[in-house]
Order: sequence, then structure tokens, then C-alpha cells
Amino acid sequence: DSGVTQTPKHLITATGQRVTLRCSPRSGDLSVYWYQQSLDQGLQFLIHYYNGEERAKGNILERFSAQQFPDLHSELNLSSLELGDSALYFCASSVGGSSIYGYTFGSGTRLTVV
Amino acid sequence: SQQGEEDPQALSIQEGENATMNCSYKTSINNLQWYRQNSGRGLVHLILIRSNEREKHSGRLRVTLDTSKKSSSLLITASRAADTASYFCATDKKGDYKLSFGAGTTVTVRA
Repeated sequence: DSGVTQTPKHLITATGQRVTLRCSPRSGDLSVYWYQQSLDQGLQFLIHYYNGEERAKGNILERFSAQQFPDLHSELNLSSLELGDSALYFCASSVGGSSIYGYTFGSGTRLTVV
Repeated sequence: SQQGEEDPQALSIQEGENATMNCSYKTSINNLQWYRQNSGRGLVHLILIRSNEREKHSGRLRVTLDTSKKSSSLLITASRAADTASYFCATDKKGDYKLSFGAGTTVTVRA
């Protein structure tokens, strides 16, 4: 157990639907990062939050949004889902706002859009 | 596009042999990190090397960094079946706050 908790582990949903992925960072970590992993695109950075504020945005579609709450957990919302959104979604956390101590990854949410 | 690219894409070795994989990147970095991912699982941080370091060791892992060539290598010595996994390099670009990952090297250790 890495200390980063992601729920749910698996999600199967239909095209056009909306889902919410949840992440609880490791205790004491202020940063949360979201990544999407697919076979054709590899690991793609989506968004970074630090202590409740958005710090950086990557290749995140407009249909996707995220937030980090006062208790530091984060949610990634995916809407108007398409078949191509099927992927593993990882959350990672770090103690500060940079990568200098490395990231701790959760076990991921496998999203299948049918 | 990916900041780092690993080479080779896949590697198959016998237990007890050494495994070497390389990573090349494009822009100046603060640090370079290596992660391991077992099939379908989360990534695990292995080792971090800062841009002013040239070599670092951790157990059976040895990482080198050549900033003039923008490349790094990860050596796993005396490999074990449990080392079977995908290995990713990740770079933290100067002025950036996130890690960019390469496509990974898949290592298979045969018993």
C-alpha cells in the first residue's frame, strides 16, 4: 500500500456519460497529480494541484475537470465520455510542489468506455 | 510529446544477468527519476538523480546521468524474476512543476 488511495479501481460506463474519480493523497502530501495512461499515448500528465490550488495543466481535455478539496483529496471529473477515454487514470502525490522527493502513485482507476 | 524516451522498448534476460536501459530527453532538467510499474499497477519510485550528479546507487540499481548528451541509464544488477516490470524515466524540466514520463522499457527476467 503506497498510501495514495484511488477509488474506484474499475469503472465501466457508456459513451456520453460522466464519471468522477477520487484520490486521497499520502498523509502529509500537499500536491496531487493526475495522469492518464493508455497504450498509444503512454503516461500523459493531466493536471497538478498544490494545497488546493491548480499549479499546472497538461494535456487535459475541456471535457475533463479536477479539483482539490480543503482536506486535500482530489477528484477528476470526466464528462461526455468517448471510447478513446478508456485508459488507466493515476493519481500521484508529493510532499511539496515539486518532484524533488519523487511521486507516490496510487494503484489507478481503470476506466472502460463502451 | 514525451520529454524522455527509453531504449530499448523491450528487454529479455536470464535471471542473474544485468539489465541496462537508457533514457534520452530533450530539454534541461532539474532532476531525472526512474520508476517501475508491474503490469497494470501503480508506478513505484526507484531512484532520483539531480542534474549536478553523475552517478547514483541504490541497492542493485545504478543510475548515470550525462547532461551534455541529455541521457541517463539504469542498470539492474543480478536480476531476479521479481524485477520483471516496465521501467520509466521521468524528467522534471527546469521551470516546470511536473514530471514527464517516457514510453518505458519492458523488462522480462526469465527463470
